[in-house]
Parts: sequence; C-alpha cells; structure tokens
Amino acid sequence: EPEVTQTPSHQVTQMGQEVILRCVPISNHLYFYWYRQILGQKVEFLVSFYNNEISEKSEIFDDQFSVERPDGSNFTLKIRSTKLEDSAMYFCASRQGWETFFGQGTRLTVV
Amino acid sequence: GENVEQHPSTLSVQEGDSAVIKCTYSDSASNYFPWYKQELGKGPQLIIDIRSNVGEKKDQRIAVTLNKTAKHFSLHITETQPEDSAVYFCAASITSGTYKYIFGTGTRLKVLA
Repeated sequence: EPEVTQTPSHQVTQMGQEVILRCVPISNHLYFYWYRQILGQKVEFLVSFYNNEISEKSEIFDDQFSVERPDGSNFTLKIRSTKLEDSAMYFCASRQGWETFFGQGTRLTVV
Repeated sequence: GENVEQHPSTLSVQEGDSAVIKCTYSDSASNYFPWYKQELGKGPQLIIDIRSNVGEKKDQRIAVTLNKTAKHFSLHITETQPEDSAVYFCAASITSGTYKYIFGTGTRLKVLA
C-alpha cells in the first residue's frame, strides 16, 4: 500500500538552529500538508501546498517556517531559527481525492 | 474560529463492550468528517469517514453517525478488542478549498482484556 514517508523520525536541535524536515508524499498525489502535534495536544494544521505554492497557512506558520517541493518527489518543511516551543511531532500528509494520508511523523526536540 | 471538540478524553472499556466517542464542530460549512486512529509512535491512520450527505456509515465493527443540524458526529466501535486500544481523533474539513483538517483533541481508548 502506498504511504507517506518522513525523515528523520527524530531530530534534536539546538535553539536558534535551522532544521529541515523531509517528506516523500504518495507519488500521484497533488496536495501536500504539514501538521504538528505538541505533546499531549491536538494535531494542528500548519500549511497546505498545491501546484508549487502555498494554498493556505495557519497563524502558527510564521516567517520562521517555509515549505518547498525541490523536486518531483520530496516535500520539505524548514524552520529557520528554532525555538523551544517548536518542539513537537510534525506530520506530513498528502491527498488525491477525499482521503488524506499521513506520514509517521518526525519528532522535533529543541534544546 | 473553527473548532472541533471531542469527548471523552479517555475511555476504558471491557473487551467485547462498545465504545462511543463524540465530536462537535463549529463551522457549519464543514462537509467531510474523517476519524483517525493513532497508535504509539505512528502517524494517524484513517479508519472511517463520512460526508455530509449521509447520516450514518458502517464498516464491520466501526460506525460513524452525523447530525448536521446539531453539528455532532460520533464514532461507535462494537465488540471492542485489545488491538482497538489507541488514540482516536475526529476531524472536520471543508472540501471546497484546501481540505485542511481541524482535529479534535483526541480520545485515548483502552480496551481491557
């Protein structure tokens, strides 16, 4: 069964450092998303991406965040200067049709 | 703003009993309601969904009901098994636009053997 894959599974970074979270969406999907889940809280929408541009972003997705689809298979989330409060599980998702498929997540720990 | 409330936050049932999880959404334009199961260390997996043009949908031991007037939808799991133990999230989405999901806060279901 096709799946969304994310790397790394766990990333530890120093506060103020840049991180890039990587995702390979399902190959024939055209709509891509990032969500995050702070420990013990709900899954929150960050950004949606379609046709090589952001289609919607939440208020969480400020200037420190950016997304990119650098080639035909990868979809990345960059956090320019990480803060302690960026520590969370980040989920990539992709969609074609009704169902959205989620990756297994990257746990980001900012120390 | 958009919000989805989910209850209860934790639920313990005996194996073989039924479990019911309830959600309420705020945006009346929402027309698609998926339910996801999240096991430890894994991403959310879709288990069932319902569109606003139907009131109920069933798939083996799992069913979802939708009351558009009250803006309520519920997940029903019958004959629960230990492997049903997980965190369950409801979500609401509007299918014109970005299809972003607004998730509920999650329910940790424990099925006791």
